[in-house]
Amino acid sequence: EVQLLESGGGLVQPGGSLRLSCAASGFTFSDFAMNWVRQAPGKGLEWVSLTSPNSGTTYYADSVKGRFTISRDNSKNTLYLQMNSLRADDTAVYYCAKDRTLWGMFLFDSWGQGTPVTVSS
Amino acid sequence: DIRMTQSPSTLSASVGDRVTITCRASQSIGSWLAWYQQRPGKAPKLLLYKASSLESGVPSRFSGSGSGTEFTLTISSLQPDDFATYYCHHYNTYHMYTFGQGTKLEIK
Repeated sequence: EVQLLESGGGLVQPGGSLRLSCAASGFTFSDFAMNWVRQAPGKGLEWVSLTSPNSGTTYYADSVKGRFTISRDNSKNTLYLQMNSLRADDTAVYYCAKDRTLWGMFLFDSWGQGTPVTVSS
Repeated sequence: DIRMTQSPSTLSASVGDRVTITCRASQSIGSWLAWYQQRPGKAPKLLLYKASSLESGVPSRFSGSGSGTEFTLTISSLQPDDFATYYCHHYNTYHMYTFGQGTKLEIK
């Protein structure tokens, strides 16, 4: 059974930084692209970032480009999201989501339970 | 960017009802359309992909159809667990605004 467990969320001041982690199990982590998707309170879903299995290809939503960095450690079966220069509109639950494919179709077939991030002074 | 628009935003129905949710794309997306279900406080769950392919383990009362710019999700006979928010999603693309805004299915 695929399991994705996010951690690292919390309260941070505007302009601050946070690093999210997602521990994966139940599948061969290094065989799949991985994503971060977020959901602001009471709002819909927004894709944030994707990384290929070897981290050679990464994509970012325009709203986070230049501020967020996705990475992965296949030896630890863990996905990361480094978030810098955080703004109030980054407040959301952040989900780790497994891609259906190796190359990345942005089709999310398994999701973690989410970790909340609140950006506020 | 391609915009995905769902209708209605809210739908009230009863157990046993047949319901349909529509998703429209601002330009043709072929069949690159998925549907997700999100129960309150839970992560989204993939229901269908490629417009009409049922994800493994998803009950057969869920079905999808459409191609190009207009798509539908149909639940043939609503069960109590089906009251949730449903999102359409244009995938296999690197674009913004790929999710619909969501349709909340409420108990009448």
